[in-house]
Amino acid sequence: DVKVTQSSRYLVKRTGEKVFLECVQDMDHENMFWYRQDPGLGLRLIYFSYDVKMKEKGDIPEGYSVSREKKERFSLILESASTNQTSMYLCASSQTGARGRKLFFGSGTQLSVL
Amino acid sequence: GNSVTQMEGPVTLSEEAFLTINCTYTATGYPSLFWYVQYPGEGLQLLLKATKADDKGSNKGFEATYRKETTSFHLEKGSVQVSDSAVYFCALPNTGNQFYFGTGTSLTVIP
Repeated sequence: DVKVTQSSRYLVKRTGEKVFLECVQDMDHENMFWYRQDPGLGLRLIYFSYDVKMKEKGDIPEGYSVSREKKERFSLILESASTNQTSMYLCASSQTGARGRKLFFGSGTQLSVL
Repeated sequence: GNSVTQMEGPVTLSEEAFLTINCTYTATGYPSLFWYVQYPGEGLQLLLKATKADDKGSNKGFEATYRKETTSFHLEKGSVQVSDSAVYFCALPNTGNQFYFGTGTSLTVIP
């Protein structure tokens, strides 16, 4: 079965800490995405990547960076965590082209910044 | 740019009730339209899609018809079950393989 795995289900960090959220997919997908999910706001795209070492900003990239050194792994980095980054973070992947219209999601990481 | 507007929740229904969750879209051209579902404690998964006007997508008893006249893609189910309790998202492709998602509608079905 296809799988997108996020390293942590729940994470608690302190303000100012550097935080790494890891995502691995086993489907050899070219595209990977990071979203945050907040009540009343739906899903908002933070960053995405169409290839190894390639990244593009989404709608809300401020305060975040990403790394994609290998095709299967896409990391989200909070350089200095702040309380307004408390949220559910969802990783997704897809194939390129018409087949890429289906997104596969991980189970999410609920991050709390205290 | 492309966008979707989704019915506000939460929605609470009794088992076997009829469900409608409204979704309207703004888009250039006629893109494919999608409904994703998020069950408690899980990520989103594709529920159904329609690729052109007048198409009807269906899955697990849910249906949605792509109506270009009203720019709508409303989700319906004739008889909901407790296991349908979830958050439902309407979605629309953006450039490349990105998506715009609606704000989500939480559905709770009570026995």
